[in-house]
Amino acid sequence: AQSVAQPEDQVNVAEGNPLTVKCTYSVSGNPYLFWYVQYPNRGLQFLLKYITGDNLVKGSYGFEAEFNKSQTSFHLKKPSALVSDSALYFCAVTATTDSWGKLQFGAGTQVVVTP
Amino acid sequence: DSGVTQTPKHLITATGQRVTLRCSPRSGDLSVYWYQQSLDQGLQFLIQYYNGEERAKGNILERFSAQQFPDLHSELNLSSLELGDSALYFCASSASRTGHSGNTIYFGEGSWLTVV
Repeated sequence: AQSVAQPEDQVNVAEGNPLTVKCTYSVSGNPYLFWYVQYPNRGLQFLLKYITGDNLVKGSYGFEAEFNKSQTSFHLKKPSALVSDSALYFCAVTATTDSWGKLQFGAGTQVVVTP
Repeated sequence: DSGVTQTPKHLITATGQRVTLRCSPRSGDLSVYWYQQSLDQGLQFLIQYYNGEERAKGNILERFSAQQFPDLHSELNLSSLELGDSALYFCASSASRTGHSGNTIYFGEGSWLTVV
């Protein structure tokens, strides 16, 4: 069975400060990891994914994430947050032993960026 | 815009009724996935189709069914609706059914279903 934990329900950060959203996972087999963002009344927008290779993954809108196999983590980061980054962020995982697209999502982390 | 199109965007219906949600995948994508997002259950995988065939099932109720047509669009049928079925239903698509080349899974904007 696979699972994802996003330990923080909400992250508050001032505009211009670094933003980190935490994610840990548990899978059988090698993980494929994703970050999606959801704005109010909108769908899930793809940010980035880790499949294999370089542990530092760069994605859309200046976001990046670091895959850490020993800590089973895939934290999302942005060096300088914008007010427009305020949204709900989801980490998701699937595994090589499972069906592609059968994503297990975390509960989500609400990011609030204040001016 | 992800390229995944879902209709209707909003739907209000009564308990016991049946509804059909429609999804058009991104151009060229053969895999379609359905997800349910609710306040109590979060985002849950329901079912996957690849090129017209069912490939994987998740926590999909027996009252729910789906299919993928030759033109690759998909429909999710929800019957005998209950209040607890009120949720946001997402469709997603990807180029293939495997992780080969790490093909990205793109989501539509969802169909809001309210059962009253």
